[in-house]
Amino acid sequence: SYVLTQPPSVSVAPGETASITCGGSNIGVLNVHWYQQKPGQAPVLVIYSDRDRPSGIPERFSGSNSGNTATLTISRAEAGDEADYYCHVWDRGYDHMVFGGGTKLTVL
Amino acid sequence: QITLKESGPTLVKPTETLTVTCTFSGFSLTTSGVGVGWIRQPPGKALEWLALIYWDDDKHYSPSLKNRLTITKDTSKKQVVLTMTNMDSVDTGTYYCAHSDRIAEDSFDIWGLGTMVTVSS
Repeated sequence: SYVLTQPPSVSVAPGETASITCGGSNIGVLNVHWYQQKPGQAPVLVIYSDRDRPSGIPERFSGSNSGNTATLTISRAEAGDEADYYCHVWDRGYDHMVFGGGTKLTVL
Repeated sequence: QITLKESGPTLVKPTETLTVTCTFSGFSLTTSGVGVGWIRQPPGKALEWLALIYWDDDKHYSPSLKNRLTITKDTSKKQVVLTMTNMDSVDTGTYYCAHSDRIAEDSFDIWGLGTMVTVSS
């Protein structure tokens, strides 16, 4: 089955830019979605279809996808961005959805 | 406004069957492109996709759990039900349901708050 690989943790200073990667075989041909999950809360969709933002999500959140890596970029990081982030794809070749292992973002 | 709410037992015994219900509002599961999925999360661990059902009754299951899962919908009651047989301690976790739409490439744009299920004798 398809596997998505994320770094367990990423740190960023306030005001700087954080990049969270999601690796998968030829992931560039798939639509990648990203979710933010804060402790004790349900996940929230922050990016869908590689780079589109749902309404209400700040422009500081952006996404890209090419080759074997998709990336979630958070510009001008804030303390409120501290959370776990998960990537997600639908692998239609194998007819199933997959989530990455998650990345804990620390803003310090 | 789309909302979803999960309900079900908080405690099940090993080998029992789990039935969790997702009751939703703000959309119809008869609308083309709309789906409802189930995702779970063991304590302190990552999200795991379980199943997805579409407006046309098209169903998809996690390959590793396919033999234990059944997803159904009741459009008149605005509910989606997931059953999981032969429960084990490793199935302990929070079970979420979420709204999906093919317009947004099957992303899960709205989630319920989740229901915690513990498997223990």
